[in-house]
Amino acid sequence: EVQLLESGGGLVQPGGSLRLSCAASGITFSNYAMTWVRQAPGKGLQWVSGIGGSGSSTYYADSVKGRFTISRDNSKNTLYLQMNSLRAEDTAVYYCAKSPVNIVVETGYYFDYWGQGTLVTVSS
Amino acid sequence: SYELTQPPSVSVSPGQTARITCSGDALPKQYAYWYQEKSGQAPALVIYKDTERPSGIPERFSGSSSGTTVTLTISGVQAEDEADYYCQSADSSGTYRVVFGGGTKLTVL
Repeated sequence: EVQLLESGGGLVQPGGSLRLSCAASGITFSNYAMTWVRQAPGKGLQWVSGIGGSGSSTYYADSVKGRFTISRDNSKNTLYLQMNSLRAEDTAVYYCAKSPVNIVVETGYYFDYWGQGTLVTVSS
Repeated sequence: SYELTQPPSVSVSPGQTARITCSGDALPKQYAYWYQEKSGQAPALVIYKDTERPSGIPERFSGSSSGTTVTLTISGVQAEDEADYYCQSADSSGTYRVVFGGGTKLTVL
Protein backbone atom coordinates (compact mmCIF):
# COMPACT_ATOMS: atom_id res chain seq x y z
CA GLU A 1 0.00 0.00 0.00
CA VAL A 2 1.34 3.38 -1.02
CA GLN A 3 1.56 5.85 1.84
CA LEU A 4 2.74 9.45 1.83
CA LEU A 5 3.11 11.21 5.16
CA GLU A 6 3.86 14.92 5.29
CA SER A 7 5.34 16.68 8.30
CA GLY A 8 7.01 19.95 9.23
CA GLY A 9 4.12 22.36 8.94
CA GLY A 10 3.35 24.97 11.55
CA LEU A 11 3.16 28.66 12.36
CA VAL A 12 5.96 30.87 11.08
CA GLN A 13 6.43 34.62 10.90
CA PRO A 14 6.62 36.46 7.59
CA GLY A 15 10.15 36.27 6.24
CA GLY A 16 10.80 33.05 8.10
CA SER A 17 11.70 29.57 6.89
CA LEU A 18 10.25 26.10 7.18
CA ARG A 19 11.17 22.69 5.79
CA LEU A 20 8.47 20.21 4.91
CA SER A 21 9.11 16.48 4.62
CA CYS A 22 7.13 13.72 2.93
CA ALA A 23 7.96 10.14 3.87
CA ALA A 24 6.97 7.57 1.28
CA SER A 25 6.37 3.87 1.78
CA GLY A 26 5.03 1.01 -0.31
CA ILE A 27 6.88 2.12 -3.47
CA THR A 28 10.34 2.07 -5.01
CA PHE A 29 10.67 5.77 -4.34
CA SER A 30 13.43 6.58 -6.84
CA ASN A 31 11.29 5.30 -9.72
CA TYR A 32 8.79 8.13 -9.48
CA ALA A 33 8.66 11.87 -9.92
CA MET A 34 7.08 13.70 -7.01
CA THR A 35 5.37 17.01 -6.50
CA TRP A 36 4.15 19.52 -3.93
CA VAL A 37 0.67 21.01 -4.33
CA ARG A 38 -0.86 23.54 -1.93
CA GLN A 39 -4.34 24.72 -1.10
CA ALA A 40 -4.94 28.04 0.62
CA PRO A 41 -7.92 28.18 2.99
CA GLY A 42 -11.13 28.10 0.96
CA LYS A 43 -9.23 28.15 -2.34
CA GLY A 44 -8.36 25.71 -5.09
CA LEU A 45 -5.34 23.53 -5.73
CA GLN A 46 -2.10 25.23 -6.76
CA TRP A 47 0.94 23.39 -8.05
CA VAL A 48 4.11 24.42 -6.22
CA SER A 49 7.02 22.31 -7.44
CA GLY A 50 8.01 19.02 -9.04
CA ILE A 51 11.11 16.82 -9.05
CA GLY A 52 12.19 13.87 -11.17
CA GLY A 53 12.96 10.46 -9.77
CA SER A 54 16.71 10.99 -9.70
CA GLY A 55 16.39 14.43 -8.17
CA SER A 56 18.40 16.11 -10.92
CA SER A 57 15.47 17.93 -12.54
CA THR A 58 13.34 20.39 -10.62
CA TYR A 59 10.50 22.71 -11.59
CA TYR A 60 8.76 25.54 -9.76
CA ALA A 61 5.68 27.72 -9.98
CA ASP A 62 6.55 31.36 -10.64
CA SER A 63 5.08 32.34 -7.28
CA VAL A 64 7.70 30.35 -5.33
CA LYS A 65 10.71 30.35 -7.67
CA GLY A 66 13.80 31.61 -5.88
CA ARG A 67 12.23 31.14 -2.42
CA PHE A 68 11.38 27.42 -2.30
CA THR A 69 13.66 24.46 -3.02
CA ILE A 70 12.45 20.94 -3.69
CA SER A 71 14.74 18.00 -3.08
CA ARG A 72 14.63 14.30 -2.31
CA ASP A 73 16.71 11.69 -0.54
CA ASN A 74 16.06 8.41 -2.28
CA SER A 75 18.02 6.50 0.36
CA LYS A 76 15.50 7.70 2.94
CA ASN A 77 12.40 7.57 0.69
CA THR A 78 11.76 11.19 1.59
CA LEU A 79 10.76 14.31 -0.34
CA TYR A 80 11.49 17.80 0.98
CA LEU A 81 10.38 21.37 0.43
CA GLN A 82 12.59 24.08 1.88
CA MET A 83 10.56 27.27 2.12
CA ASN A 84 12.37 30.57 2.70
CA SER A 85 11.21 34.20 2.76
CA LEU A 86 7.70 33.06 3.58
CA ARG A 87 4.77 35.38 2.95
CA ALA A 88 1.22 35.49 4.24
CA GLU A 89 0.03 34.28 0.84
CA ASP A 90 2.01 31.06 1.31
CA THR A 91 -0.44 30.04 4.04
CA ALA A 92 -1.95 26.76 2.87
CA VAL A 93 -2.20 23.04 3.33
CA TYR A 94 0.76 21.52 1.50
CA TYR A 95 0.28 18.11 -0.10
CA CYS A 96 2.95 15.86 -1.47
CA ALA A 97 1.88 13.62 -4.31
CA LYS A 98 3.39 10.83 -6.37
CA SER A 99 3.44 10.66 -10.15
CA PRO A 100 3.32 7.35 -12.08
CA VAL A 101 6.21 8.53 -14.27
CA ASN A 102 9.87 9.12 -13.51
CA ILE A 103 10.42 12.35 -15.40
CA VAL A 104 8.45 15.53 -14.76
CA VAL A 105 8.17 16.71 -18.35
CA GLU A 106 7.21 13.28 -19.60
CA THR A 107 3.71 13.00 -21.01
CA GLY A 108 1.56 11.74 -18.26
CA TYR A 109 2.85 13.78 -15.34
CA TYR A 110 -0.09 13.55 -13.01
CA PHE A 111 -0.62 12.46 -9.43
CA ASP A 112 -1.97 9.05 -8.51
CA TYR A 113 -1.33 9.10 -4.76
CA TRP A 114 -1.57 12.02 -2.32
CA GLY A 115 -0.64 12.53 1.29
CA GLN A 116 -3.05 14.01 3.81
CA GLY A 117 -1.29 17.37 3.85
CA THR A 118 0.43 19.58 6.40
CA LEU A 119 -0.74 23.08 7.30
CA VAL A 120 1.62 26.02 6.97
CA THR A 121 0.49 29.29 8.51
CA VAL A 122 2.50 32.44 7.87
CA SER A 123 1.48 35.13 10.31
CA SER A 124 2.91 37.53 12.84
CA SER B 1 -0.07 32.74 -18.35
CA TYR B 2 -1.84 29.50 -19.23
CA GLU B 3 -5.14 28.87 -17.48
CA LEU B 4 -7.71 26.11 -17.25
CA THR B 5 -11.29 27.35 -16.87
CA GLN B 6 -13.98 25.44 -15.00
CA PRO B 7 -17.50 26.47 -13.96
CA PRO B 8 -17.56 27.31 -10.23
CA SER B 9 -20.54 25.10 -9.53
CA VAL B 10 -22.75 22.37 -10.95
CA SER B 11 -25.91 21.05 -9.32
CA VAL B 12 -27.78 17.86 -10.13
CA SER B 13 -30.36 15.61 -8.51
CA PRO B 14 -29.47 12.05 -7.52
CA GLY B 15 -29.56 9.69 -10.50
CA GLN B 16 -29.05 12.46 -13.04
CA THR B 17 -25.93 13.08 -15.12
CA ALA B 18 -23.42 15.73 -14.13
CA ARG B 19 -21.05 17.23 -16.66
CA ILE B 20 -18.11 19.37 -15.60
CA THR B 21 -16.12 21.13 -18.29
CA CYS B 22 -12.54 22.37 -18.36
CA SER B 23 -11.26 24.65 -21.12
CA GLY B 24 -7.71 25.52 -22.08
CA ASP B 25 -5.87 26.41 -25.26
CA ALA B 26 -3.24 23.69 -24.83
CA LEU B 27 -5.65 20.85 -24.16
CA PRO B 28 -5.49 19.58 -27.76
CA LYS B 29 -1.75 19.00 -27.17
CA GLN B 30 -1.68 17.97 -23.50
CA TYR B 31 -3.61 15.34 -21.59
CA ALA B 32 -6.08 16.36 -18.90
CA TYR B 33 -6.57 14.75 -15.52
CA TRP B 34 -9.40 15.01 -13.00
CA TYR B 35 -9.30 14.93 -9.22
CA GLN B 36 -12.10 14.65 -6.69
CA GLU B 37 -11.70 16.41 -3.35
CA LYS B 38 -14.24 15.60 -0.70
CA SER B 39 -14.57 17.85 2.32
CA GLY B 40 -11.66 17.36 4.71
CA GLN B 41 -9.92 14.81 2.50
CA ALA B 42 -6.94 14.86 0.17
CA PRO B 43 -7.60 14.98 -3.57
CA ALA B 44 -8.04 11.67 -5.38
CA LEU B 45 -7.47 10.92 -9.07
CA VAL B 46 -10.65 9.92 -10.92
CA ILE B 47 -9.66 10.28 -14.61
CA TYR B 48 -6.23 10.28 -16.26
CA LYS B 49 -5.08 10.90 -19.85
CA ASP B 50 -8.42 12.47 -20.79
CA THR B 51 -10.50 9.28 -20.68
CA GLU B 52 -8.86 6.59 -18.56
CA ARG B 53 -10.30 5.54 -15.22
CA PRO B 54 -8.01 4.33 -12.42
CA SER B 55 -8.78 1.02 -10.79
CA GLY B 56 -11.29 1.40 -7.99
CA ILE B 57 -13.06 4.38 -9.54
CA PRO B 58 -16.73 3.60 -10.31
CA GLU B 59 -17.74 3.20 -13.96
CA ARG B 60 -20.15 6.13 -13.65
CA PHE B 61 -17.11 8.42 -13.89
CA SER B 62 -15.94 9.05 -17.45
CA GLY B 63 -13.89 11.60 -19.34
CA SER B 64 -13.97 12.98 -22.86
CA SER B 65 -12.08 15.50 -24.95
CA SER B 66 -13.03 17.76 -27.83
CA GLY B 67 -10.73 20.47 -29.05
CA THR B 68 -9.89 22.89 -26.27
CA THR B 69 -12.45 21.43 -23.83
CA VAL B 70 -12.38 18.29 -21.72
CA THR B 71 -15.39 17.04 -19.81
CA LEU B 72 -15.83 14.93 -16.70
CA THR B 73 -19.16 13.11 -16.79
CA ILE B 74 -20.72 11.44 -13.78
CA SER B 75 -23.65 9.28 -14.78
CA GLY B 76 -26.26 8.35 -12.20
CA VAL B 77 -24.90 10.78 -9.63
CA GLN B 78 -24.96 9.60 -6.04
CA ALA B 79 -24.94 11.66 -2.86
CA GLU B 80 -21.38 10.50 -2.16
CA ASP B 81 -20.20 12.20 -5.36
CA GLU B 82 -20.73 15.64 -3.84
CA ALA B 83 -17.26 17.16 -3.85
CA ASP B 84 -14.97 19.66 -5.52
CA TYR B 85 -13.55 18.54 -8.85
CA TYR B 86 -10.35 19.88 -10.38
CA CYS B 87 -8.92 19.42 -13.84
CA GLN B 88 -5.15 19.44 -14.32
CA SER B 89 -2.89 19.67 -17.32
CA ALA B 90 0.55 21.00 -18.23
CA ASP B 91 2.00 24.08 -19.82
CA SER B 92 5.12 23.18 -21.78
CA SER B 93 5.20 26.32 -23.94
CA GLY B 94 8.04 27.77 -21.90
CA THR B 95 9.33 26.59 -18.56
CA TYR B 96 7.36 23.46 -17.76
CA ARG B 97 4.65 23.87 -15.18
CA VAL B 98 1.57 22.06 -13.98
CA VAL B 99 -1.74 23.89 -14.12
CA PHE B 100 -4.94 23.22 -12.20
CA GLY B 101 -8.36 24.53 -13.04
CA GLY B 102 -10.11 26.66 -10.46
CA GLY B 103 -12.32 23.79 -9.34
CA THR B 104 -16.02 23.00 -9.63
CA LYS B 105 -18.25 22.37 -6.64
CA LEU B 106 -20.66 19.55 -7.45
CA THR B 107 -23.80 19.74 -5.35
CA VAL B 108 -26.18 16.78 -5.23
CA LEU B 109 -29.60 18.23 -4.55
